[in-house]
Amino acid sequence: QKEVEQDPGPLSVPEGAIVSLNCTYSNSAFQYFMWYRQYSRKGPELLMYTYSSGNKEDGRFTAQVDKSSKYISLFIRDSQPSDSATYLCAMSKGGSEKLVFGKGMKLTVNP
Amino acid sequence: DTAVSQTPKYLVTQMGNDKSIKCEQNLGHDTMYWYKQDSKKFLKIMFSYNNKELIINETVPNRFSPKSPDKAHLNLHINSLELGDSAVYFCASSQRLAGVQTGELFFGEGSRLTVL
Repeated sequence: QKEVEQDPGPLSVPEGAIVSLNCTYSNSAFQYFMWYRQYSRKGPELLMYTYSSGNKEDGRFTAQVDKSSKYISLFIRDSQPSDSATYLCAMSKGGSEKLVFGKGMKLTVNP
Repeated sequence: DTAVSQTPKYLVTQMGNDKSIKCEQNLGHDTMYWYKQDSKKFLKIMFSYNNKELIINETVPNRFSPKSPDKAHLNLHINSLELGDSAVYFCASSQRLAGVQTGELFFGEGSRLTVL
């Protein structure tokens, strides 16, 4: 079993839809949870960051972490064509430990 | 000003050649990384340096050799290139907080390597 699992999609939705992206993980030592967004031919950029369990909201984006289920989610409300990108979940144990990425989900929001 | 810049953006070369990719960050971060992203977009860490000291060295062929002349620069040299080395190589940097690597990485735009 891989440490971090993410459905690679692709996912295509109409503009205005609510998008739900998910990752599961196997290592209960992970404490830091992130979502990165990567536009085509660009480097990933940090979108959302959460420490331990709980929810975090930033504008149209909400990140959720459920450590008991080893499951993290990213919700995008009122999705826009500019949200079309690959979304990668990532997590870390902290300390000097490396960041482990999911495979990335390619999202297309159609106008 | 670009925060993490890497050169060149594109490399096309023959099998067996040697090539280098350079990276510079102007964020004042203490940690730098090389990641490899394959054709399926899977991002995998190769190396990490903290204050010029190698702290992460994943299972990478010896043909790959990183070098950090100072904490703002991290270069990657690849010897005897193989077809399977074709990928996008990303440089990234981060800053530890109280010795903890929290995972907030800043990435460059990538160097796309094609080995023919």
